[in-house]
Amino acid sequence: KQEVTQIPAALSVPEGENLVLNCSFTDSAIYNLQWFRQDPGKGLTSLLLIQSSQREQTSGRLNASLDKSSGRSTLYIAASQPGDSATYLCAVFSSGSARQLTFGSGTQLTVLP
Amino acid sequence: DGGITQSPKYLFRKEGQNVTLSCEQNLNHDAMYWYRQDPGQGLRLIYYSQIVNDFQKGDIAEGYSVSREKKESFPLTVTSAQKNPTAFYLCASRPRTGGTTEAFFGQGTRLTVV
Repeated sequence: KQEVTQIPAALSVPEGENLVLNCSFTDSAIYNLQWFRQDPGKGLTSLLLIQSSQREQTSGRLNASLDKSSGRSTLYIAASQPGDSATYLCAVFSSGSARQLTFGSGTQLTVLP
Repeated sequence: DGGITQSPKYLFRKEGQNVTLSCEQNLNHDAMYWYRQDPGQGLRLIYYSQIVNDFQKGDIAEGYSVSREKKESFPLTVTSAQKNPTAFYLCASRPRTGGTTEAFFGQGTRLTVV
């Protein structure tokens, strides 16, 4: 059974810092990995999708990497802003008969002005 | 605009009642999912469906039921057998096949037992 772990559970940084969020998964048989953002009381907003054949994806100040063989992904946020404060979730879409998204428990990020 | 619509946004349930949460998508996606989110925890899969008239139990299906009579609709019923239904419920969809396999989420329904 796929398990996804996110470290740290919470992170507080001053505005302008670059930061890295970590995600690890136990089964490398995946189709893709997706990073989401969730604001309090809201649904999930997709940030980046990395296919299993890719090593990284970039969108603006966000860069996500994937090392499928070691079961790891990182989300890099450059020049953090208070508006980046949210919970960040990673999810893997497993191949095989299960074919379901499995989520980590998230990293709650606070960017201090 | 294409997207996923969940309704209602807030729902209150009395003890012993069944309630149904609505999820509609106009993205022409084959696969749809229901997740439950509790404070401080990640999303846990309740049910998923990869095609009309077919659905599979997820990790926490007990006390829930679903139907998939139409491609665009995947309602979730929280039955009286679910002993702790207070949670935030999220519906998602994605293409079953194709080059883009991104999952899209609705804005959620917060269910509270009163």
